[in-house]
Amino acid sequence: GIQVEQSPPDLILQEGANSTLRCNFSDSVNNLQWFHQNPWGQLINLFYIPSGTKQNGRLSATTVATERYSLLYISSSQTTDSGVYFCAGDRGSTLGRLYFGRGTQLTVWP
Amino acid sequence: DAGVIQSPRHEVTEMGQEVTLRCKPISGHNSLFWYRQTMMRGLELLIYFNNNVPIDDSGMPEDRFSAKMPNASFSTLKIQPSEPRDSAVYFCASRMDRGLNEKLFFGSGTQLSVL
Repeated sequence: GIQVEQSPPDLILQEGANSTLRCNFSDSVNNLQWFHQNPWGQLINLFYIPSGTKQNGRLSATTVATERYSLLYISSSQTTDSGVYFCAGDRGSTLGRLYFGRGTQLTVWP
Repeated sequence: DAGVIQSPRHEVTEMGQEVTLRCKPISGHNSLFWYRQTMMRGLELLIYFNNNVPIDDSGMPEDRFSAKMPNASFSTLKIQPSEPRDSAVYFCASRMDRGLNEKLFFGSGTQLSVL
């Protein structure tokens, strides 16, 4: 399978700070996605970003498929951003299983 | 749409008992996934279905686990007999696969505790 490495594993921020989370893949991937798992355990799909850059409010994501990595930017972080951020991708076949990283645990303090 | 619906939200059972987890995917989605999440192993894919047919069940831990999808709007994951090491959060997820795979949506999960 594909190995997915996320960094950093843990991140502690003061409210208002900016951060960058990274996701590296051991092989070419397609259909790259970012998820946020909130403290109540819900997994929310943030971005579907096979390539290029997308923005959604204070969050943006960039995927460089040729170099097998993706970045998630969080600006002006808020306490509600706390949780675990996962990236996932698949091989791009019609019936592709997603391979998940171990996540980045983000804690934002007021 | 109500999203992916899982039941029950919490299940506490004793070792040896049968456990059945249920999932209703988002209407119109043709792929359904069962994941298990633990601190030690993270998110593991157990099995996934496309058009109600199991495509990849290589993640199913052992014969005690079985999954079915009798129609496009319902799936079950059964553990019989259950063991304490099965304690985890079980997620169901669905998406629309139409050549180019798209966003995956998760249910709220079932927290399973086997005593």
